[in-house]
Amino acid sequence: AQKVTQAQTEISVVEKEDVTLDCVYETRDTTYYLFWYKQPPSGELVFLIRRNSFDEQNEISGRYSWNFQKSTSSFNFTITASQVVDSAVYFCALRTNAGNNRKLIWGLGTSLAVNP
Amino acid sequence: GAVVSQHPSRVICKSGTSVKIECRSLDFQATTMFWYRQFPKQSLMLMATSNEGSKATYEQGVEKDKFLINHASLTLSTLTVTSAHPEDSSFYICSANPPAGGIQETQYFGPGTRLLVL
Repeated sequence: AQKVTQAQTEISVVEKEDVTLDCVYETRDTTYYLFWYKQPPSGELVFLIRRNSFDEQNEISGRYSWNFQKSTSSFNFTITASQVVDSAVYFCALRTNAGNNRKLIWGLGTSLAVNP
Repeated sequence: GAVVSQHPSRVICKSGTSVKIECRSLDFQATTMFWYRQFPKQSLMLMATSNEGSKATYEQGVEKDKFLINHASLTLSTLTVTSAHPEDSSFYICSANPPAGGIQETQYFGPGTRLLVL
């Protein structure tokens, strides 16, 4: 079975704090992709990152960083020095290479509120 | 990144009418598009996979005759909610995969359509 778990339903922080959003996935496939998307109040889903299962390098993009650990099946997302504009719902998703199916398995999302 | 547009962004209609939502890939051709539905404070629920030139593949529990999908070209897929009822009110989002070039594994999303059926 394939599954994505985002255990944190809601997180509230004060501006400039660092915050980590957790994502744990389950799959038996050896080739898969992990994604993070941001959904601000406007509703549009914004692609943040894609990581394939063979690339365990962590990634940093500005204030955003991602920690991919296959040993714990986790793909956590950290925002450094959070800002009010970071307030959104963040979704983690999984896609495997099984068949020709490009469907994404979604986590339930983590709602992040960054307060001034 | 790849750009996906969706129209209309918001629609209010009377119960019993049909509503068509368009999803366009603006700077790439998409052989596959996806239609999602999202209720407030919930995750995305995949409704169907839209394949250019062939019938859509619907997820279990999604009524094919209720939600008609047409993917007539490589840049356009449409979702028609037929005989809409208040319970069809929701946020509908489409996405598309670029066909090749490394970013093909990523789904890019349209801005969504908020449907309110009175």
